[in-house]
Amino acid sequence: GESVGLHLPTLSVQEGDNSIINCAYSNSASDYFIWYKQESGKGPQFIIDIRSNMDKRQGQRVTVLLNKTVKHLSLQIAATQPGDSAVYFCAEGTNSGYALNFGKGTSLLVTP
Amino acid sequence: ETGVTQSPTHLIKTRGQQVTLRCSSQSGHNTVSWYQQALGQGPQFIFQYYREEENGRGNFPPRFSGLQFPNYSSELNVNALELDDSALYLCASSLDLGPEQYFGPGTRLTVT
Repeated sequence: GESVGLHLPTLSVQEGDNSIINCAYSNSASDYFIWYKQESGKGPQFIIDIRSNMDKRQGQRVTVLLNKTVKHLSLQIAATQPGDSAVYFCAEGTNSGYALNFGKGTSLLVTP
Repeated sequence: ETGVTQSPTHLIKTRGQQVTLRCSSQSGHNTVSWYQQALGQGPQFIFQYYREEENGRGNFPPRFSGLQFPNYSSELNVNALELDDSALYLCASSLDLGPEQYFGPGTRLTVT
């Protein structure tokens, strides 16, 4: 089936810098996209979602950008903190479906 | 508001045995989805329950089965366990089949 994938498996940033995590998707019928954060030993934590009819959505310290032309999604984290260290997943779904389709994840490491 | 809870936290079983995992959905949520997450991978959708009925199923064999109860809690049953069933099993709840799925901490199953 169509897949959701991430460009970079690992990302290392310095504390205070901005982080950008990228995701490519292939299902043009996706209606929404969700970013999850998963810390070691825990379940995925909902961060932010975006509908396919939007280009940008902002949350607290996070911004998600959606480029449907090139089927690309990104998560920007402002002023990255050590607590942001985790694996980040993008997931996509459709209004007519029920499953979230996850990519493999990007590991974000924040160094002091 | 009570989040998604799962039990047990860890479980060790022998190949060929059967296992039952349990999930309590977030307060007010009537939809439960189950996912399997192998080490280093993104979660893979197993099935979803909505108002006690199976609403959809991923690419998993029939030995993976489930139930949802009137209080919207859910069980995942796996028969004839295989070594490849070793994984983190995640439960996620949502409201009325909505896209915002909130995950529990997972059950780590090890099959020896």
